[in-house]
Amino acid sequence: GAGVSQSPRYKVAKRGQDVALRCDPISGHVSLFWYQQALGQGPEFLTYFQNEAQLDKSGLPSDRFFAERPEGSVSTLKIQRTQQEDSAVYLCASSLGPTRSAYREQFFGPGTRLTVL
Amino acid sequence: DQQVKQNSPSLSVQEGRISILNCDYTNSMFDYFLWYKKYPAEGPTFLISISSIKDKNEDGRFTVFLNKSAKHLSLHIVPSQPGDSAVYFCAAKKDTGRRALTFGSGTRLQVQP
Repeated sequence: GAGVSQSPRYKVAKRGQDVALRCDPISGHVSLFWYQQALGQGPEFLTYFQNEAQLDKSGLPSDRFFAERPEGSVSTLKIQRTQQEDSAVYLCASSLGPTRSAYREQFFGPGTRLTVL
Repeated sequence: DQQVKQNSPSLSVQEGRISILNCDYTNSMFDYFLWYKKYPAEGPTFLISISSIKDKNEDGRFTVFLNKSAKHLSLHIVPSQPGDSAVYFCAAKKDTGRRALTFGSGTRLQVQP
């Protein structure tokens, strides 16, 4: 497709459930990012992949959060045993890479709004 | 500790006038700055960027100014149009090392017809 796509767009989970959020980056984009955006705040970095390698996971808030990108294209963000504070919009972004200038502009998907009851 | 700050949560201007959105940062290691625009239920869309080696970058109606000594940047929109009504996020990154963007909390711009 032309842009970054994410699914589902909306997810309601009961506290304690596991969820999986999918991101399809722009074809050919090397870099993939996950961000978490709480209500009224800017996006906050969670994790970064270069191809299939997870090079930075310093933003993941706990070991309940896990991300993968096994073939260097589609990525999944998994949250185990969801809690109410996990409620947020989860944004995926991709950028071209591998040169420095190609990392600069990140293209965002529409996000998945997760509500944990 | 918020490293990128947008102190005005909202701004309202008349159509045709100038909109000025401000952003301050604290981390002197940031050397690349971006503005994103976000409509409801959509992801942020890249608008304009500036490297720290410049103090101004212009793209049509949009101009970004960078004052490194003050750790301040601003986005000017001239003339403002109703379609510019959106939330604007300032973002910064170190041009080497970590690739992630650090965002401000956003400013909601409303352009009145």
